[in-house]
Amino acid sequence: AQKITQTQPGMFVQEKEAVTLDCTYDTSDQSYGLFWYKQPSSGEMIFLIYQGSYDEQNATEGRYSLNFQKARKSANLVISASQLGDSAMYFCAMREGYGNNRLAFGKGNQVVVIP
Amino acid sequence: GEEVAQTPKHLVRGEGQKAKLYCAPIKGHSYVFWYQQVLKNEFKFLISFQNENVFDETGMPKERFSAKCLPNSPCSLEIQATKLEDSAVYFCASSPNRGGRDSYNEQFFGPGTRLTVL
Repeated sequence: AQKITQTQPGMFVQEKEAVTLDCTYDTSDQSYGLFWYKQPSSGEMIFLIYQGSYDEQNATEGRYSLNFQKARKSANLVISASQLGDSAMYFCAMREGYGNNRLAFGKGNQVVVIP
Repeated sequence: GEEVAQTPKHLVRGEGQKAKLYCAPIKGHSYVFWYQQVLKNEFKFLISFQNENVFDETGMPKERFSAKCLPNSPCSLEIQATKLEDSAVYFCASSPNRGGRDSYNEQFFGPGTRLTVL
């Protein structure tokens, strides 16, 4: 069964606008972690932001923030003030349990920022 | 080092040939993970190590894939008798072991090895 769902088609966003990328997850664990990674066309995987299941507040990291709604099992990424360099694939991932368990990835969201 | 290093960057093999990929984790990181990315979006977990011990191998296709992490050597992922469907980018990631319920133990990814099987 799919543990991470990212269903949005490719998105175009105007430079300087905000964009929200949807991610829903499925787990029966009480303890888990949610990650967002960026993969530009060059192929490397860049860690953006993390949210733990016990974290009371939404995570923020510069222009990235995570809208964590535990009851809905969603962990949407918000990128504010989009820049041309934000054009990339964005992957949501989940680690079930805590520690160093493997990540389960969604299929990604393609974002293209237009000037 | 401060980054996960993977070699080679690209690897081309004929069907049936062996392929061996290498990964040097970030110094001080205890955990190493291998993921396979097919068609630019599907990630599949293969195997993870805690130091030189297998931690989780539930994703490994047992027949043709093997992996090792030996002390003082890069970790390796070997594919015997490659098939066309093994064409993918293979990522290695490493993470520290901070421990504790709230530690997130971020996985740092290497640049990947692109394997093309012809």
